[in-house]
Amino acid sequence: DQQVKQNSPSLSVQEGRISILNCDYTNSMFDYFLWYKKYPAEGPTFLISISSIKDKNEDGRFTVFLNKSAKHLSLHIVPSQPGDSAVYFCAASEASKIIFGSGTRLSIRP
Amino acid sequence: EAGVAQSPRYKIIEKRQSVAFWCNPISGHATLYWYQQILGQGPKLLIQFQNNGVVDDSQLPKDRFSAERLKGVDSTLKIQPAKLEDSAVYLCASSPTGGYTEAFFGQGTRLTVV
Repeated sequence: DQQVKQNSPSLSVQEGRISILNCDYTNSMFDYFLWYKKYPAEGPTFLISISSIKDKNEDGRFTVFLNKSAKHLSLHIVPSQPGDSAVYFCAASEASKIIFGSGTRLSIRP
Repeated sequence: EAGVAQSPRYKIIEKRQSVAFWCNPISGHATLYWYQQILGQGPKLLIQFQNNGVVDDSQLPKDRFSAERLKGVDSTLKIQPAKLEDSAVYLCASSPTGGYTEAFFGQGTRLTVV
C-alpha cells in the first residue's frame, strides 16, 4: 500500500530551464509534505516543506505546490543548475511519522 | 551543530549471521527513526522512537529485527539472523519534538548479505 507515489523514476532537464517533480498521495490525514534531496553515498537532506493548510511555499529557486483536492504536490526548481542533479524524494508526515515515495532521479544536462 | 552519526558505514556478512548498527542523533532531538532503503526504492520506516519509547514499529520484521534506544539518546538496530533480502542501506534520522517534523538523516550503513 503505497501512500506516497512518485510515478516518474527519472527526469532530464536542460540547465537553466524549470524542473518539475511530481508526487501523489492517498492519505488525507497527512499534515506536512516534505521534499528531500539525495546524493550518492549520502543520507537524504531536507529541501523544503509545506503544511497541509497552505498551497504554496517558496524558498529561493525551490517552490512546492500542494493541491489537496487532487492529493498532488509538485516541486519546481528554477532555474535548474548542474548541482541539482540528484534523487529527489517526496515525503508526507502524519503525527511525526514520515513516509517516503520511491524517488525521482533528476539529471541536469548542459 | 553535529549531525546524525551512524556506524559502521559499510558491513558485509553471510546470511544467517547477526549484525548491529549504531546511531547517535542530534543532541536534544526526541524523535529517532530507522529506515531501510533497498536499491531503487524510497526509504521505508522500520521503527520510530519518541525519547526511549516506541511510537511505531508496524513495519519492523520482529522475528529477526530488534531496536532499542536506551536513555532516549543513541540507538542500536540489530538483525539476527540476516537474510539475503536484508541487503540495503539502513538510515537513521532524528527530529526535534513538535508539530513540524523535518527529519535530519545520517549517512547510512550499507549492508550486504552474501
